Amino acid sequence: DGGITQSPKYLFRKEGQNVTLSCEQNLNHDAMYWYRQDPGQGLRLIYYSQIVNDFQKGDIAEGYSVSREKKESFPLTVTSAQKNPTAFYLCATTKTNYGYTFGSGTRLTVV
Amino acid sequence: KNQVEQSPQSLIILEGKNCTLQCNYTVSPFSNLRWYKQDTGRGPVSLTIMTFSENTKSNGRYTATLDADTKQSSLHITASQLSDSASYICVVSGGDTDKLIFGTGTRLQVFP
Repeated sequence: DGGITQSPKYLFRKEGQNVTLSCEQNLNHDAMYWYRQDPGQGLRLIYYSQIVNDFQKGDIAEGYSVSREKKESFPLTVTSAQKNPTAFYLCATTKTNYGYTFGSGTRLTVV
Repeated sequence: KNQVEQSPQSLIILEGKNCTLQCNYTVSPFSNLRWYKQDTGRGPVSLTIMTFSENTKSNGRYTATLDADTKQSSLHITASQLSDSASYICVVSGGDTDKLIFGTGTRLQVFP
């Protein structure tokens, strides 16, 4: 929270369906990140973007895609290629590599 | 391999008691260490951030310590409250790409 809005809070996906998670920030931060959180594991980096129109793969990018057309927005698409998408997804931003701010998360469930 | 390990995995204490959570890391080079509090179903919220030269940092009833020589950190919670029930995550920034490396967290439950 604190300037980062993730939506929706809960999302259900059918098999073979693509879904998009929204992350919007009004902190004027340059860098934005997407993490995945699973029970008993630390957060894992999916994608990150340090500047508009540029993004980099993280440690577990397969089955995900992102775009960064505006500084304020960094949507994450979970594609049908992601075989185990059920997880808690967190978006984060930072102006420098010091203070990270996290959103409130989106819980994605496959039905 | 750059890793962050936390202990205990879970902890139950009574309201008003103190507790200490541990974090050991093998991240090199080291940039900074952060402690976050994460309520269930919410995003992590920063408690403290410490760089190499800082040994201790406080945020209200939360006090973090850092021993960069032994690569250990602790988070001490004083006079616990029911609202302290949450997961506490230790995060180290560093490594060749200076990215965040997350511990798996300690789940704290405070009972009345």
